[in-house]
Amino acid sequence: GNSVTQMEGPVTLSEEAFLTINCTYTATGYPSLFWYVQYPGEGLQLLLKATKADDKGSNKGFEATYRKETTSFHLEKGSVQVSDSAVYFCALRAQGAQKLVFGQGTRLTINP
Amino acid sequence: EAGVVQSPRYKIIEKKQPVAFWCNPISGHNTLYWYRQNLGQGPELLIRYENEEAVDDSQLPKDRFSAERLKGVDSTLKIQPAELGDSAVYLCASSLNTQNTIYFGEGSWLTVV
Repeated sequence: GNSVTQMEGPVTLSEEAFLTINCTYTATGYPSLFWYVQYPGEGLQLLLKATKADDKGSNKGFEATYRKETTSFHLEKGSVQVSDSAVYFCALRAQGAQKLVFGQGTRLTINP
Repeated sequence: EAGVVQSPRYKIIEKKQPVAFWCNPISGHNTLYWYRQNLGQGPELLIRYENEEAVDDSQLPKDRFSAERLKGVDSTLKIQPAELGDSAVYLCASSLNTQNTIYFGEGSWLTVV
């Protein structure tokens, strides 16, 4: 079946550090891939997405590239801020399907 | 534009009691989802509506959970009777149609004691 695996957290970094959160997936065909973010006390918000191989999604300084050959969609940011502290979820929507399948989430804490 | 609105935000009930959650999707969104998010895990789909029709309820525990979306707009998710294991965040989401971006509400946090 379809599944998403994220690097386990929690992840703690200092401000201005480089961030990578790994995400790999299992799916048939060509799924669409997403990163959602959940700030404390808030709902899930779409951060970025990519719908086909080699697409790069970007938003708020975050980037992720859809790598079909490695079935990965790693999230990166060059210089994190305290305000980036949140839980990040990688998700896929299988080709032809209508629901999102989520990873378990990675809690990120940025210290000043 | 208003986002997906859910209520109540927080609910604490004793086991075996009933509970209901309400969701108002983004105006014009035909597709409505209910997800459950257990502590430390990602959300999992419970049920998906296309307008007023439940088109995917395969993950809904039908012995105690029920949902409805009368008139194809607002939706209610009910649990009766609640069990300790039902403690979770219940997320409502909507999208224009099945291939568009899915937007989530803030969730209803349920604690069963």
